[in-house]
Amino acid sequence: SQELEQSPQSLIVQEGKNLTINCTSSKTLYGLYWYKQKYGEGLIFLMMLQKGGEEKSHEKITAKLDEKKQQSSLHITASQPSHAGIYLCGADDAGGTSYGKLTFGQGTILTVHP
Amino acid sequence: NAGVTQTPKFRILKIGQSMTLQCAQDMNHNYMYWYRQDPGMGLKLIYYSVGAGITDKGEVPNGYNVSRSTTEDFPLRLELAAPSQTSVYFCASSYSGDRVRNTIYFGEGSWLTVV
Repeated sequence: SQELEQSPQSLIVQEGKNLTINCTSSKTLYGLYWYKQKYGEGLIFLMMLQKGGEEKSHEKITAKLDEKKQQSSLHITASQPSHAGIYLCGADDAGGTSYGKLTFGQGTILTVHP
Repeated sequence: NAGVTQTPKFRILKIGQSMTLQCAQDMNHNYMYWYRQDPGMGLKLIYYSVGAGITDKGEVPNGYNVSRSTTEDFPLRLELAAPSQTSVYFCASSYSGDRVRNTIYFGEGSWLTVV
């Protein structure tokens, strides 16, 4: 079965700093999802990548899927306290229809100090 | 638009008790899922459904049951609760299993403690 490893497990940054979170898979990634979670709330969908080399951005958050399709990175530019939370990567490892079943990494806890 | 709604948000159960976590979505999604999240761990799939009347096991189905009598609802039943079932439970839904159109939406979670 597929395993996802996120690094770092936790991250503390000063407001305004850039940061990167990585998600490494034990198998080829066919669909890689990034979610943000705040305590007491559900998962908020950020973006989904499925093609090697694909890059998507939303506001100050950019996610990339590497060419070999076994790693994704999430980059936040000029971090703000509102970016604080737990970032989760999720993936399906099916070449065809996966029925939306995802395997998740353990999450990266991001703290942004004002 | 309510999205995915879970109830209850918090619940304390005694060992051996049973309960049902309710999940409803109003987006006319065909696919629905139940995940659990343990501290410091990622989410693990318990059960999923690809349509009314069709359910299948995920990675960690033991101790749980589901049913899908309507498109909108996907309740998760815990029988004979055990401390190992203390977790946060998330219900999710998506329009299809097609990756291209498949944004998976999550509910806000249900915190369950078994004592």
